[in-house]
This record gives sequence, C-alpha cells and structure tokens, in this order.
Amino acid sequence: GAGVSQSPSNKVTEKGKDVELRCDPISGHTALYWYRQSLGQGLEFLIYFQGNSAPDKSGLPSDRFSAERTGGSVSTLTIQRTQQEDSAVYLCASSLVLSLETQYFGPGTRLLVL
Amino acid sequence: SQQGEEDPQALSIQEGENATMNCSYKTSINNLQWYRQNSGRGLVHLILIRSNEREKHSGRLRVTLDTSKKSSSLLITASRAADTASYFCATVPPNDYKLSFGAGTTVTVRA
Repeated sequence: GAGVSQSPSNKVTEKGKDVELRCDPISGHTALYWYRQSLGQGLEFLIYFQGNSAPDKSGLPSDRFSAERTGGSVSTLTIQRTQQEDSAVYLCASSLVLSLETQYFGPGTRLLVL
Repeated sequence: SQQGEEDPQALSIQEGENATMNCSYKTSINNLQWYRQNSGRGLVHLILIRSNEREKHSGRLRVTLDTSKKSSSLLITASRAADTASYFCATVPPNDYKLSFGAGTTVTVRA
C-alpha cells in the first residue's frame, strides 16, 4: 500500500479483555516498530522487528503485552487482560531496513479501556 | 522514558510569523529527527539531522543541532494555518534503532 495502515482505528474494550492491534507496513519494508502515546508517558518505544524477529522486547511495559510478525509483513500487538492504564494511541512505523533513518508512521489505533 | 525535553510546551503565533521550538536531550545520539502530529494521530517525518551536522534546511524548515549542548532547534518560517500541529523531536542513540521522543511543542497558527 501507499503507507502504513493500522486497524482498528479505534477500540473500546472492558477492563480484563484481550485486544489485538494490527499493523500493515509499507510494502517491502523489512523493519517494523511499535510505539505507544499516552497522556502520562508521552511517546514511548515498545518493540521493533527485523523481518519476523524481535531482538529487543525490553520496551514492552509488562508481560501482558506481546507482539508477533509473520511473513515479514503484518504485525499484531496483543494486550491481554487489559487495564485502564493501557488506554493510549498505539502507533506502528516501518522502514525499508532496520536502520537509523526515517521511520514512516501509521495513523495509530486509539485504545480505550473502560 | 523520554530522552528529550521540548520548549516551549505551547506556542501561539500569527500567520506569517516564524515559530521556533527547542529540544534538549540527555545522551549521545546518532541522529535527531523532527516529526509533526496533527490531531493526536499519525506522525509525519519532517527532517533528520545527523550528529556530525550542524544545520539543515527543508523548505520552510530550518533545524540546528549543537551536540556540545545536547540541543536542537526547529524553525518554521512564514507560518501558515496548516502548520498548526504538535511537533516532536526524537533522538536515535548510536547502535540502536529506537526513537526516543520529547514531550512535544503544540503550535497554533492564528489566521
């Protein structure tokens, strides 16, 4: 596609439920990144993938968070047993290769946990 | 945790005026990038400046970098209403790929 796409755009869920957020990177981009933007913490890095591999998971806030990437393309961020503090905008970005250059961001998924 | 601090937090200017915002960071960097965000959604990359560069231009944007002071500035010249947005600086440490963002500056351009 022309840009990074994310779905859903908005998600409202009840505390304790699991949610899955999806990211479709720009076609041909091998590197994919997840960030979270919340009122209290600003923009924070969560995890990145080079191909299907995630070498550094230290940014994930708790073990309720997990992410996977299949086929070197689509990635899913899963939050289990959601808590109210998980409410945030989850942003995905991709780049052609894992590099120190520009990352292209998707529109984000706004998650609200009630 | 955030690497950078941005100043000011908010800025309101008249159309046609220049807008300047500053970013300070704490650790060494490979490069520093500026992004724009409209309405709290996707980030748009504006400009990247490497640690060995001091100044860079892109259209109406001018970015400076002072690694000795660990600071950067973004100047938007001849502002337009469409420049109304939040602006974030983000740093990339050496040998790493994570962007560490500042808290952002909200710019409002009045017509």
